[in-house]
Amino acid sequence: GESVGLHLPTLSVQEGDNSIINCAYSNSASDYFIWYKQESGKGPQFIIDIRSNMDKRQGQRVTVLLNKTVKHLSLQIAATQPGDSAVYFCAERAGGFKTIFGAGTRLFVKA
Amino acid sequence: NAGVMQNPRHLVRRRGQEARLRCSPMKGHSHVYWYRQLPEEGLKFMVYLQKENIIDESGMPKERFSAEFPKEGPSILRIQQVVRGDSAAYFCASSPGDQPQHFGDGTRLSIL
Repeated sequence: GESVGLHLPTLSVQEGDNSIINCAYSNSASDYFIWYKQESGKGPQFIIDIRSNMDKRQGQRVTVLLNKTVKHLSLQIAATQPGDSAVYFCAERAGGFKTIFGAGTRLFVKA
Repeated sequence: NAGVMQNPRHLVRRRGQEARLRCSPMKGHSHVYWYRQLPEEGLKFMVYLQKENIIDESGMPKERFSAEFPKEGPSILRIQQVVRGDSAAYFCASSPGDQPQHFGDGTRLSIL
């Protein structure tokens, strides 16, 4: 079925610490995963993506890990900053272009 | 490069009226997607279109909702005879193909 869910709906971290946001997916046919950041009143903003033939991908201050065995992916944010406060969504695609979004995790960064 | 442009940003309609939401994709993007988002929830896929064609409308209600992406002009999401339950934020995204989607800032639809 279509199900992309998150373990933690709210995450609060201290400025400068690392953040880890987790996501579980249920469709074993999904072959492409994306993380989006959404700030209040705005549309989702692409952060990083990963294809199923990889298990790790790094960007600027962000890393996505994919574990296909347990159908889990995570977003790691290094040295979290106040500007990182937002809702983070994982999303998946199983071929084609239809993208299924998870419920989201709200990240609070304490100064 | 202008991003995905949606208008209006806010739209208020009374029950029974029609709502038209517009989306201009990024330059060079031929794929358009529409999503609906309720407060504190994720985005729900509605429809995916390429120029003049609906590719996947599996997330769109069969009645009252329609979408188009004409050869010229923006993509339009049309909701006829709106009801209170249609109140939501509607987001449009575009992509040039098999690339990440870029989103607009949405249209907030309120039904009185």
